[in-house]
Amino acid sequence: KQEVTQIPAALSVPEGENLVLNCSFTDSAIYNLQWFRQDPGKGLTSLLLIQSSQREQTSGRLNASLDKSSGRSTLYIAASQPGDSATYLCAVPSLLNEKLTFGTGTRLTIIP
Amino acid sequence: DVKVTQSSRYLVKRTGEKVFLECVQDMDHENMFWYRQDPGLGLRLIYFSYDVKMKEKGDIPEGYSVSREKKERFSLILESASTNQTSMYLCASSRGRGNNEQFFGPGTRLTVL
Repeated sequence: KQEVTQIPAALSVPEGENLVLNCSFTDSAIYNLQWFRQDPGKGLTSLLLIQSSQREQTSGRLNASLDKSSGRSTLYIAASQPGDSATYLCAVPSLLNEKLTFGTGTRLTIIP
Repeated sequence: DVKVTQSSRYLVKRTGEKVFLECVQDMDHENMFWYRQDPGLGLRLIYFSYDVKMKEKGDIPEGYSVSREKKERFSLILESASTNQTSMYLCASSRGRGNNEQFFGPGTRLTVL
């Protein structure tokens, strides 16, 4: 059974710093990985979907990498801003169907 | 842009009531999903549907049922609400046929008294 882990559970950094969020998964037989952000009391917003054939995917200040062989993905946020404060979740699909297994998330706080 | 809407942002119901949560997507997506999210437990899949009138149980279907009569609409039904169903409910959709990128609605915070 796929298990997805995100460490740390919470992270605080000063505004302007670059930072990396981590996502680990136990079954490397995935065909993509999706990163989301969630603001308190709100739904999830899709940030990036990175295919297994890609090593990186970029959107603005966000860059996601995927290393299937090691079962890891990272989300790099450049020049962090207070508006980046949110919970970030990663998720991987099952090969049998399109159900996602979610990590428990990293709660990010950017300190002005 | 994909738009997923949910009928209510906040809902308060009494124990034993029948509760309907509605979800609508406007991008002709094949797949639709219902999750609940609780502190410390993360997102858990209740039911999903990959076509009209088709449904499959997720990880925690007990106490819930679903209906998908039209492609754009997926309803979650609590036949007899209980206090342990107090939660945030999230609906999502994906195009399907190999495209599994999921898009979420804003969520419904349900409180059962």
